[in-house]
Amino acid sequence: ETGVTQSPTHLIKTRGQQVTLRCSSQSGHNTVSWYQQALGQGPQFIFQYYREEENGRGNFPPRFSGLQFPNYSSELNVNALELDDSALYLCASSLFGQDSNQPQHFGDGTRLSIL
Amino acid sequence: AQKVTQAQTEISVVEKEDVTLDCVYETRDTTYYLFWYKQPPSGELVFLIRRNSFDEQNEISGRYSWNFQKSTSSFNFTITASQVVDSAVYFCALSPLYRGSTLGRLYFGKGTQLTVWP
Repeated sequence: ETGVTQSPTHLIKTRGQQVTLRCSSQSGHNTVSWYQQALGQGPQFIFQYYREEENGRGNFPPRFSGLQFPNYSSELNVNALELDDSALYLCASSLFGQDSNQPQHFGDGTRLSIL
Repeated sequence: AQKVTQAQTEISVVEKEDVTLDCVYETRDTTYYLFWYKQPPSGELVFLIRRNSFDEQNEISGRYSWNFQKSTSSFNFTITASQVVDSAVYFCALSPLYRGSTLGRLYFGKGTQLTVWP
């Protein structure tokens, strides 16, 4: 069973640039959630994708957007990067259905640094 | 509104000591899940346990045990005979369980950094 994989591992960008982070969900999972974890803080929910549609969003501006593909992998896009966007971005996948509500499993994250 | 509080920012113990990590939560929902995750320096969040709000039975898994008390809105985590490999940041999290909610959205505390010295 393949776990959640994220790419790239590390990324350095400058203010105003755009970035795309990628996530491959665990085999058999149909839901992907993205979290932002600032240094010394707990992860904060950005949004979730289920059946290729956004299914809930946290308190993040529209410049944070995402996609989910038919194979359930996902992308997180951030436009007009700001210094405060420096963080560890975590992707989590899970299986949701009528009779299942499994815990989310996380990838190793992408560490994004904004200069 | 959902809120998870982990009052202990850092804890240091010597190997073989027992240690308890505290977690207090706030929610208006009657059904929810509570979780503990471990985050080693590599960054990955490792799932440890999930408890349903209807199930207050304490659980033991090897050296790990969890004490869920709905009356005090607490879900504490105890490591018995701690080991150096237990050193990590531990997060408590809450997930509402009502229809229409974002599926399994997690609300995390700020975490407790546990350091176990040899």
